[in-house]
Amino acid sequence: KQEVTQIPAALSVPEGENLVLNCSFTDSAIYNLQWFRQDPGKGLTSLLLIQSSQREQTSGRLNASLDKSSGRSTLYIAASQPGDSATYLCAVKWRAGTALIFGKGTTLSVSS
Amino acid sequence: GAVVSQHPSWVICKSGTSVKIECRSLDFQATTMFWYRQFPKQSLMLMATSNEGSKATYEQGVEKDKFLINHASLTLSTLTVTSAHPEDSSFYICSGEKGSTYNEQFFGPGTRLTVL
Repeated sequence: KQEVTQIPAALSVPEGENLVLNCSFTDSAIYNLQWFRQDPGKGLTSLLLIQSSQREQTSGRLNASLDKSSGRSTLYIAASQPGDSATYLCAVKWRAGTALIFGKGTTLSVSS
Repeated sequence: GAVVSQHPSWVICKSGTSVKIECRSLDFQATTMFWYRQFPKQSLMLMATSNEGSKATYEQGVEKDKFLINHASLTLSTLTVTSAHPEDSSFYICSGEKGSTYNEQFFGPGTRLTVL
């Protein structure tokens, strides 16, 4: 069964820290992987999409890496800010035309 | 990016009634659309996959007669919750796949359903 796992489930850090969120997936033959942010009671905000042929993607203070052979992706957030507090979701698409499958998310809290 | 809208953004209904949620891709054609459900403090769970002009494919445990999905055009899909009950109260999110090099999925803002 194709599954996505995220560790840790929750993380609290002081402002300014660099942090890493982890995502692992079964079946390394993925099509693409996407990281999302979700604020409480809101919809999804797409952060980064990594194609299966790519190793990493960067956007501002965010960097996502992909290691298909080990079935892992990481989301690196540099110089965290209170505004980064949200739930971060990792999702994997295994074939075009099929749905993204989501992990349970990591809830991040950044204190000032 | 691309834009997906959902209507309504929230709805409250009485138990036993039916509710229809619309999902539109505003600036692209979505051959495939997906419907997800999210319960409080949980992640998104895929309910069904629909292709334009075809019957939807439902995930295990999702009642197809209760959650009616119609994908009548490349820009519109609807989810009808029939005979809604309080346990159907949830956040429903639709997504359209944009056929391109990346086959990226774009998500609607979600519809919060509360069944009294």
